[in-house]
Amino acid sequence: GQSLEQPSEVTAVEGAIVQINCTYQTSGFYGLSWYQQHDGGAPTFLSYNGLDGLEETGRFSSFLSRSDSYGYLLLQELQMKDSASYFCAGHQAGTALIFGKGTTLSVSS
Amino acid sequence: EPEVTQTPSHQVTQMGQEVILRCVPISNHLYFYWYRQILGQKVEFLVSFYNNEISEKSEIFDDQFSVERPDGSNFTLKIRSTKLEDSAMYFCASSDGRDTYTGELFFGEGSRLTVL
Repeated sequence: GQSLEQPSEVTAVEGAIVQINCTYQTSGFYGLSWYQQHDGGAPTFLSYNGLDGLEETGRFSSFLSRSDSYGYLLLQELQMKDSASYFCAGHQAGTALIFGKGTTLSVSS
Repeated sequence: EPEVTQTPSHQVTQMGQEVILRCVPISNHLYFYWYRQILGQKVEFLVSFYNNEISEKSEIFDDQFSVERPDGSNFTLKIRSTKLEDSAMYFCASSDGRDTYTGELFFGEGSRLTVL
């Protein structure tokens, strides 16, 4: 089985940089994804790491270290609209995507 | 842009009643999923469906639940004899299967089920 742990809440101000960490316990794990969810709406895909290292997509970057069972989502130049819940999610071969408990990010001006 | 659509957006039912939640996945997608999210909690996997059969299900997906793809476009979740603890947001998702290992699922806006 697998479990993913992430902080429950993070706060930051506009323009800042924030990092949301995700540690996991799993076997046969092959990738980590990040999803954003606003106000309980549809989770939307942000990024995927299938290999160790950093993936960059605009203001968002994601990192994975499989040897450390660890990943993070880095959000730069924070905007008010980035206030949302962020979920790390992973899966093993042949199993569906499994989500962490989510991190609520609050961005203030 | 193609999207996953779900109906109803909100359903209120009495305990013990049957509920059917409907989803129209993105048309060229091959993999379909149901997840649920109890208010303020994480998104929990229920079931995945491929090639007209269940490919995986979680411990939550017991005999009370069933899924069906009755035609080429709809994907339904049936909950028999609903319980209070079934109250949650139910999300349908689909993926194209071109690369099932990217983790990119496309979610609908959800159906909020309230069991009284």
